[in-house]
Amino acid sequence: NAGVTQTPKFRILKIGQSMTLQCTQDMNHNYMYWYRQDPGMGLKLIYYSVGAGITDKGEVPNGYNVSRSTTEDFPLRLELAAPSQTSVYFCASSRTGGETSTDTQYFGPGTRLTVL
Amino acid sequence: RKEVEQDPGPFNVPEGATVAFNCTYSNSASQSFFWYRQDCRKEPKLLMSVYSSGNEDGRFTAQLNRASQYISLLIRDSKLSDSATYLCVVRSSGGSYIPTFGRGTSLIVHP
Repeated sequence: NAGVTQTPKFRILKIGQSMTLQCTQDMNHNYMYWYRQDPGMGLKLIYYSVGAGITDKGEVPNGYNVSRSTTEDFPLRLELAAPSQTSVYFCASSRTGGETSTDTQYFGPGTRLTVL
Repeated sequence: RKEVEQDPGPFNVPEGATVAFNCTYSNSASQSFFWYRQDCRKEPKLLMSVYSSGNEDGRFTAQLNRASQYISLLIRDSKLSDSATYLCVVRSSGGSYIPTFGRGTSLIVHP
């Protein structure tokens, strides 16, 4: 199993450009998440999904959009990129919603995005 | 009060030392607790779950105190390779058990 994969690894955008960050998991997990992590800070949840066709906002959704057409894929769309969106973006998945202590999240390697 | 709070450190300790981190959480309905490890510029990885009765995995011991709403991580006989940021994660009931991350505690183990 590859686990959670993300592309691209790095990207530089100009202000106002758009892009899609790709995330794929091959563990047949129902739950998927997008986080951003700014330097020296914890992870902040952008959007999450509890299954194909179902998405919901997290703590910091403004400026982003998501879709979940399949169990495997959970792309994150940035429209009109702004310098405040410079960050490291992590995608994660989990089998369930974390009701038990045995359920954990698996993270992708991250995408480092710079908006200039 | 933030939902999950950690002392950011850094904790600077010599090899072989014992070091402990605490993490406090504000939501009394929290159900699941975890410690993750994050190396510099890498993704977080699960270190251990935290069970109500406390649990141990080699040199690492995690404990939960529901009454005072905190969890702890104890690392014995620190190794250079333990240098990393340790993230406290709390998942609360109320629908989707969305996890909340602390900002992490930085540990530096020196020779």
